[in-house]
Order: sequence, then C-alpha cells, then structure tokens
Amino acid sequence: AQSVTQPDIHITVSEGASLELRCNYSYGATPYLFWYVQSPGQGLQLLLKYFSGDTLVQGIKGFEAEFKRSQSSFNLRKPSVHWSDAAEYFCAVGPNQAGTALIFGKGTTLSVSS
Amino acid sequence: NAGVTQTPKFQVLKTGQSMTLQCAQDMNHEYMSWYRQDPGMGLRLIHYSVGAGITDQGEVPNGYNVSRSTTEDFPLRLLSAAPSQTSVYFCASSYSRTSSDTDTQYFGPGTRLTVL
Repeated sequence: AQSVTQPDIHITVSEGASLELRCNYSYGATPYLFWYVQSPGQGLQLLLKYFSGDTLVQGIKGFEAEFKRSQSSFNLRKPSVHWSDAAEYFCAVGPNQAGTALIFGKGTTLSVSS
Repeated sequence: NAGVTQTPKFQVLKTGQSMTLQCAQDMNHEYMSWYRQDPGMGLRLIHYSVGAGITDQGEVPNGYNVSRSTTEDFPLRLLSAAPSQTSVYFCASSYSRTSSDTDTQYFGPGTRLTVL
C-alpha cells in the first residue's frame, strides 16, 4: 500500500535551535517526494522536492531535506528555526515531478518557543 | 494570472443536498486534483485528472463525482451530502506543456464545507 508516515504529531523547538521533521514513505514505483508547509488558515506552500540526483535538496526559507532510499525516508531539516516557522508541515509522495495525485502524511505541527 | 480559484469559500449544506465545488485555473495546466483536509488526517486525494476528458479516483472517492470537460475547469460534485463530508476542500493544478514550469503544483485557497 502507498503511504506516508510522519511519526511526530507535534514538535516544539526553541527559536534558534535546529529542527528535523521525520518522514517515511511506502511507494511501489519511483517516488517523487515533496515537503509542504501550511500556516494557520492558509493554503499549502511547496518547500522543496526530490526527484533524482543529489540526495540532499535545498528549498525555500532555509529548509533542506535528505532522501535515504535504504530507509525510505525524506527528513526535513533547518539549522536555525525562526518564530515564523511555526506551522504545519506535510510530507507527500507522488507518481511524477508535477506533484499531482499526491499521497500526504498526516502532518507535523511545529511550535517555536522563545 | 489568477492561479487556482475555488468557489465558494464557505458553504453549509443539509444532509442529502447536492452541490458542486468549483475549481478553475488559468495556467493551461494539464493535471488537476481534489483533496480534502480533516484535522489530524492531513490531505487525502479524492479524484484527479491528467487532462481534459480523463479522470481517476484517489484515496477517498466515495460520495464524490468529477468531470473534466475543459482544461481550465475541474468541478467536484457531492451527490448526496453527509456529515462525514464536512471538511476543507483544496483543488490543485500542475504541469503545462507550454511552460518551463513543469514541476510545481499550485493549490487553491480552499472551500470550507459544513454538512449538518
């Protein structure tokens, strides 16, 4: 079955501390992987995506993610969190690089403490 | 470009009523999708389309119907609304054959639906 698991429902990080959000996937075909962010009451914004090549991908807002095929993981990281990063983060997998027909994880809510 | 537009923004229905959620895009995108978002469940794919006249089911298609008669529009029909369909609905589109932007999916602002 195709699925995305985000093990952490809620994470709290101090401002300036590093962040890692976990994502594991199960997908029968070549996975195209995405991370999205959703601020309260807002739509979804694409942070970054992985299709092939270098397994460490850079995105917007200082985020990066590392693809590990052996672990079926695509974890999102940021070296120093800002208060404005507080939001809900979704990992997703799909059949193509256009990002259509995505399977999403249930999301991780990030709180940032001062 | 207006991007992806959804109407209405809010809607309240009674059980058994039918309605259509509208989605339109002006980016000449081939691919369009409908998702529903429920608390603690993330987004779940309802139906998607890879071009005019072509649709397919996603994870949670029951109770919903779609058609794609034009490239621009992808309406989602609730045939007989049920309280379990209370949710926020997002439409998304991606991939234009005539653009260099081939790998970004754009989401609409969402429609918040309540079924009483």
